[in-house]
Amino acid sequence: DAGITQSPRHKVTETGTPVTLRCHQTENHRYMYWYRQDPGHGLRLIHYSYGVKDTDKGEVSDGYSVSRSKTEDFLLTLESATSSQTSVYFCAAGGRESQPQHFGDGTRLSIL
Amino acid sequence: AQSVTQLDSHVSVSEGTPVLLRCNYSSSYSPSLFWYVQHPNKGLQLLLKYTSAATLVKGINGFEAEFKKSETSFHLTKPSAHMSDAAEYFCVVSDGGNEKLTFGTGTRLTIIP
Repeated sequence: DAGITQSPRHKVTETGTPVTLRCHQTENHRYMYWYRQDPGHGLRLIHYSYGVKDTDKGEVSDGYSVSRSKTEDFLLTLESATSSQTSVYFCAAGGRESQPQHFGDGTRLSIL
Repeated sequence: AQSVTQLDSHVSVSEGTPVLLRCNYSSSYSPSLFWYVQHPNKGLQLLLKYTSAATLVKGINGFEAEFKKSETSFHLTKPSAHMSDAAEYFCVVSDGGNEKLTFGTGTRLTIIP
């Protein structure tokens, strides 16, 4: 939706390994976001970006880092994955100037 | 601070009957309110949004929601349920700008044939 692509769509990895998830948008939105979705919690904001190289923490940022070197790409990195980070991760873009946020289709991440 | 409570975790209705999904919110400012729908293994799709214009908001697929400030509610309705409406629905609130969203925990809608 709204030109947002997440990769990979599924990933299984082991505890302690680094993981990077990629979000790519084609709509030139200034704002981009990473959320995680867990049963009983809805979506919770991990980090967001308000421009190239400009990022800020969300509600559940511990254990995650982000980078944005280009307008169209927003990367989420788990430096050393833990089982508690098993979740579905959603990227979104938009959310300013009366524009609602639009979401990608998600990445299902399992950490064993 | 902002928060949102979806009063039902699961709602079941028969095809062709009305749908009501309930949402209450808390916000320190004049809020923006949204309903998103999520079909299995998909991302979230915007159904409708309220941003301080008309209190009755019409969205896609026949859904609508009414902003009631006195009741701090933003319930989602549809006159006649269709099988394709089966999904999870999220009520979302934002203070001021739309960059900081707070999600409800979701309501799973089941449609009985």
